[in-house]
Amino acid sequence: GENVEQHPSTLSVQEGDSAVIKCTYSDSASNYFPWYKQELGKRPQLIIDIRSNVGEKKDQRIAVTLNKTAKHFSLHITETQPEDSAVYFCAASRTGGGNKLTFGTGTQLKVEL
Amino acid sequence: GAVVSQHPSRVICKSGTSVKIECRSLDFQATTMFWYRQFPKKSLMLMATSNEGSKATYEQGVEKDKFLINHASLTLSTLTVTSAHPEDSSFYICSASARGQGSYEQYFGPGTRLTVT
Repeated sequence: GENVEQHPSTLSVQEGDSAVIKCTYSDSASNYFPWYKQELGKRPQLIIDIRSNVGEKKDQRIAVTLNKTAKHFSLHITETQPEDSAVYFCAASRTGGGNKLTFGTGTQLKVEL
Repeated sequence: GAVVSQHPSRVICKSGTSVKIECRSLDFQATTMFWYRQFPKKSLMLMATSNEGSKATYEQGVEKDKFLINHASLTLSTLTVTSAHPEDSSFYICSASARGQGSYEQYFGPGTRLTVT
């Protein structure tokens, strides 16, 4: 089955700096890669996703890049703000597998003033 | 946007009793629902995949006789934790995906905090 690794487990940045979180996956058939933000005790919120037919996607301060050959994808947050502090999860799934998501282990992002 | 609700949001039960958690898609038909368990400071671990009108598919290591899943309609799935024990205390989250070709996104419920005493 799919295995998703995520790094780093914790990340502390100064407000206004950029944050980068990286994930690798094992199943070459995976073709959908969402990123979620989860605040304590809350549901995961989709913040951006990318499909395997594109290499990069951007939405304001958030961007995701995908390297299918290397089987890794990354989340980039620019101009970080204190409200960006949360746990971020990457995930991977493939059509034909019931859209089953395999999650990474999570990154605790702390944006310091 | 697609909305998924869960009930109850929190439940405390005594060891040995059973607890039922409901997951509803409020404004769309969910052909597939997923049940996850999340321990403190850990990731979401998929427990089972539930398709409307058929038996759930459980992940390896998840006891199907302990975690009963029913998906009787396109808007409702239930998870029953039978004979609950303290180690079953966790945050249970459901998600639903909509009917439709090329539909990738899962919509998550708000979660249910289960505490077994």
